[in-house]
Parts: sequence; C-alpha cells; structure tokens
Amino acid sequence: AQKVTQAQTEISVVEKEDVTLDCVYETRDTTYYLFWYKQPPSGELVFLIRRNSFDEQNEISGRYSWNFQKSTSSFNFTITASQVVDSAVYFCALSEVYTGNQFYFGTGTSLTVIP
Amino acid sequence: DGGITQSPKYLFRKEGQNVTLSCEQNLNHDAMYWYRQDPGQGLRLIYYSQIVNDFQKGDIAEGYSVSREKKESFPLTVTSAQKNPTAFYLCASSAGGTRVTNTGELFFGEGSRLTVL
Repeated sequence: AQKVTQAQTEISVVEKEDVTLDCVYETRDTTYYLFWYKQPPSGELVFLIRRNSFDEQNEISGRYSWNFQKSTSSFNFTITASQVVDSAVYFCALSEVYTGNQFYFGTGTSLTVIP
Repeated sequence: DGGITQSPKYLFRKEGQNVTLSCEQNLNHDAMYWYRQDPGQGLRLIYYSQIVNDFQKGDIAEGYSVSREKKESFPLTVTSAQKNPTAFYLCASSAGGTRVTNTGELFFGEGSRLTVL
C-alpha cells in the first residue's frame, strides 16, 4: 500500500495564481515526520519543510504555507502568488520512527507556472 | 561548502556491464541512502546505511550492490543483473541513523543519470 499519496500528477497555473498541492499519508506510528521537497529541472531535491506528528500548527514561510491535519492524514502545501521559478516537481515524504527512519516518498506533483 | 557529491552526472553503459556510481558527503552524517527515480514513480529506495560497515536492502535492491567502508562514502554498483537500469539515481544522507534520534531531513546530491545503450 502506498504510504504517501499525491493524487495530483500535473498542475498548471498562470503566474500569480495560488496553488495547493495535496498530500495524504498513511501510518500506524504515533511518532512520525512529514516533509516537502522541491525538485527543479536540475534534478537535485531541495528540502522545504519538516513537520513532526506532534506539531499540528500550520506554518508560513514567505509565499509558502503548509496545512497539517492529523484527522485527515493530510499535509498540504500552498504556494501563494505563484511565480515561474516555482515550476518544479514537488514531493511529499513520510518518515516513521518505528521503521528505522526510512523515508517514503509520494510520486510527486509536477507544477508548471505559466507566465 | 558542505554537501553531497555524486559522480558521474551522466553515464552510459552497454548491456552486461557493471557500473559504479560514486556518492561522497562531508556533512558528517551517519545515514546514507540510494534512491532510484523513474518518470511517474517517485523515488524508490535501493539501499541504505545507518552506520559504517552496515547497510540494508531497500524496496528494489535486486541487481544492485553497495559498500560503506567509510562514513563519507556510499558507492552504488549497478550490476548486469539489473534488468532495467536506465534511470536517475539519487544519493542522500541524514544526520539521524537510529530509532532514538530525531529524524532529520534528507540532503540530496545532484543525481546521476544512467543510460543503457
């Protein structure tokens, strides 16, 4: 079974629009961590955020914001006023303490921001 | 600058040949990982190592081998037994290597793209 599901394979938005990338996870562990990574065309994955399972506060960093809801097992990522430089593949990931800190990645969402 | 260096960036292999992808980190991280990325399939774990001289198979270890003789190095060999080796390979490291430590984020290299001719 897929531990991390990113149902949106590809999204296109026009510059300055807001966009939300969905992430749903599955775990039996009570202690776990959730991550978002950005993969630009160059290929390297860039870390964006880490959230532990005990901290459900939403976080905002500039144009980026994250909504963590344990009740729905979701960790969604919103980009406000999108820019062309936001075009990339975005991955959501889960790390469970009881599996020795292995990381489980979703299949990624490819975001294209059209100028 | 601290980081992860993967080489080569591009590699071409003839069928039946073994190739080794290099991964070096100077972050003093205990844990290192190898992932394979195919279009539309996200990242799949090949092997990981939480400490020197020890490593574990991931989800798709068949046809691959690794070694961890030094903390900073975790080379991946793609053997001729790997039936479909053409892919993008990513090496990563993290500070946390055991259950009791906090799970730090993964730091990634720039990747190696392997093409079988």
